[in-house]
Amino acid sequence: EPEVTQTPSHQVTQMGQEVILRCVPISNHLYFYWYRQILGQKVEFLVSFYNNEISEKSEIFDDQFSVERPDGSNFTLKIRSTKLEDSAMYFCASSGQFNEQFFGPGTRLTVL
Amino acid sequence: SQQGEEDPQALSIQEGENATMNCSYKTSINNLQWYRQNSGRGLVHLILIRSNEREKHSGRLRVTLDTSKKSSSLLITASRAADTASYFCATDSGGGADGLTFGKGTHLIIQP
Repeated sequence: EPEVTQTPSHQVTQMGQEVILRCVPISNHLYFYWYRQILGQKVEFLVSFYNNEISEKSEIFDDQFSVERPDGSNFTLKIRSTKLEDSAMYFCASSGQFNEQFFGPGTRLTVL
Repeated sequence: SQQGEEDPQALSIQEGENATMNCSYKTSINNLQWYRQNSGRGLVHLILIRSNEREKHSGRLRVTLDTSKKSSSLLITASRAADTASYFCATDSGGGADGLTFGKGTHLIIQP
């Protein structure tokens, strides 16, 4: 069964450093998403991406964040200058036509 | 406003019993989806129900949707120890790249 994959599974970085989180969505899906979950809290929507551009973004997705689909398979989330409060689990998701979203296993980001 | 609030926050039952979790939301929705999350792991898609549907089944899962009450329920029949997890509802208001709004989840414990 096709699934969303994410790398790395765990990323540790120093405050102020840039990180890139990578995702490979399900191959025939058209819509891609990033979410985050701070420990013990709700899953929060960050951004959606369709047709090589951002479709929707939340208030959390400020200028420190960017997304890219650099090739036909990868979808990346970049955080330019990490802060302590960026520590969270980051989930990538993808969907086909009817917004049935399938999530990857997540990347746990720890900012020291 | 808070969308997708589940209750109860925690539920502990004996193996073999049925588990019912509820979700309420405040604004109009297009779809409502239920997800399972084992501790510290990824989100597993369980079922999607559209706003024009009232009930949907998948294996031991039964989901109902009452748009007049802005609520949904997830019933797991004949529970197993492996069903122990957190369960979340997530809503969207339409559009192919619409981000999901998650609730805080119900933590379900199945006692062997």
